Amino acid sequence: DQQVKQNSPSLSVQEGRISILNCDYTNSMFDYFLWYKKYPAEGPTFLISISSIKDKNEDGRFTVFLNKSAKHLSLHIVPSQPGDSAVYFCAASPETSGSRLTFGEGTQLTVNP
Amino acid sequence: AAGVIQSPRHLIKEKRETATLKCYPIPRHDTVYWYQQGPGQDPQFLISFYEKMQSDKGSIPDRFSAQQFSDYHSELNMSSLELGDSALYFCASSFRTSGRYEQYFGPGTRLTVT
Repeated sequence: DQQVKQNSPSLSVQEGRISILNCDYTNSMFDYFLWYKKYPAEGPTFLISISSIKDKNEDGRFTVFLNKSAKHLSLHIVPSQPGDSAVYFCAASPETSGSRLTFGEGTQLTVNP
Repeated sequence: AAGVIQSPRHLIKEKRETATLKCYPIPRHDTVYWYQQGPGQDPQFLISFYEKMQSDKGSIPDRFSAQQFSDYHSELNMSSLELGDSALYFCASSFRTSGRYEQYFGPGTRLTVT
């Protein structure tokens, strides 16, 4: 039972363009969402988060959008850079007080020079 | 900035042996989490500790146990190892008391059971 789903296993974009990574969830109890970037042989690196009381959070080139009614969130990276090439995981938590994270399957982003 | 430290980075054990994985959280972080990532899979939550007390428990086999010590480091003990235990084991920490809930991950321990 995959409660957090990333339906695109891979995404390829040109340097300088926008990368949009999508994530859907099924558990209505989730109200805190995070995006992580992962390089091979390293642990996930925290990028950005959003709580359910917001619909948008921005940090530099990274913006996360949350559509609670659709149970959908997306990560926008603008402009994309070759160093952004990595696996991106969407994660969700049922409360903001430090509960376990449930991860999606990940999307491999490749940014071509 | 200091990060989460995990040791060892790589571990090779035989079936039915035991293994101990260690995790040193970011200084001042009060919560530690353990996750298991199998090949081609997403990380799966095992167990967490807040202020040295178990705070949540996921799909952790009875053969596994964990604890958090007075210095906040944590150890995951795995006994009667099986081939299926081969995976990446991540530790993460967060500073729950601060009201910030993002979890910061260590580099992981790659366990291979032969």
